[in-house]
Amino acid sequence: AQKVTQAQTEISVVEKEDVTLDCVYETRDTTYYLFWYKQPPSGELVFLIRRNSFDEQNEISGRYSWNFQKSTSSFNFTITASQVVDSAVYFCALSGRNSGGYQKVTFGTGTKLQVIP
Amino acid sequence: DTAVSQTPKYLVTQMGNDKSIKCEQNLGHDTMYWYKQDSKKFLKIMFSYNNKELIINETVPNRFSPKSPDKAHLNLHINSLELGDSAVYFCASSQGRLRAKNIQYFGAGTRLSVL
Repeated sequence: AQKVTQAQTEISVVEKEDVTLDCVYETRDTTYYLFWYKQPPSGELVFLIRRNSFDEQNEISGRYSWNFQKSTSSFNFTITASQVVDSAVYFCALSGRNSGGYQKVTFGTGTKLQVIP
Repeated sequence: DTAVSQTPKYLVTQMGNDKSIKCEQNLGHDTMYWYKQDSKKFLKIMFSYNNKELIINETVPNRFSPKSPDKAHLNLHINSLELGDSAVYFCASSQGRLRAKNIQYFGAGTRLSVL
């Protein structure tokens, strides 16, 4: 069974502050992938990043960075110098394969980030 | 061009009615999905089709019937709508059905309100 926990339900920060969104996952698969999606107030779900279970290198993309630690089953997401446009709900997701061999994605419950100007 | 498009964006209807939501993707993907997002933002897979074949069918009432006329389209028909069906329904697509690495691309969602 797969499980994704995003313990932070809502976070508020003041613009230009750094913020880290936590994600902890559980899986029995040895090969799996982790994702982050952004859902802005307009409602669509936007893919941000994918990480495989064998690659623990941290990744940076502009103001966004991701820290994957297999030892703690965590895949945390940091926004540096936050901006109002970062206000959204962020979802962490775990992708493995179900009993039938098909891809199965389990989403966390999301963290709502509010960036205050 | 929108990659995954859903219609309608909003749907308001009375209990007991039957309604459909349409989804089309122009990404050339062979796998499509329906997700339900409830009022607490929880996203749950409902169905998945690969090349018009149903491959995932989670525990969903049989009032919900997906239909895939071709691999670019996946529609969702809901019979006898209930208050608890109110949610945002997302369509998504990906290339391939077997690989955990597949990225799913989502439509903008359809907000269904049952009165």
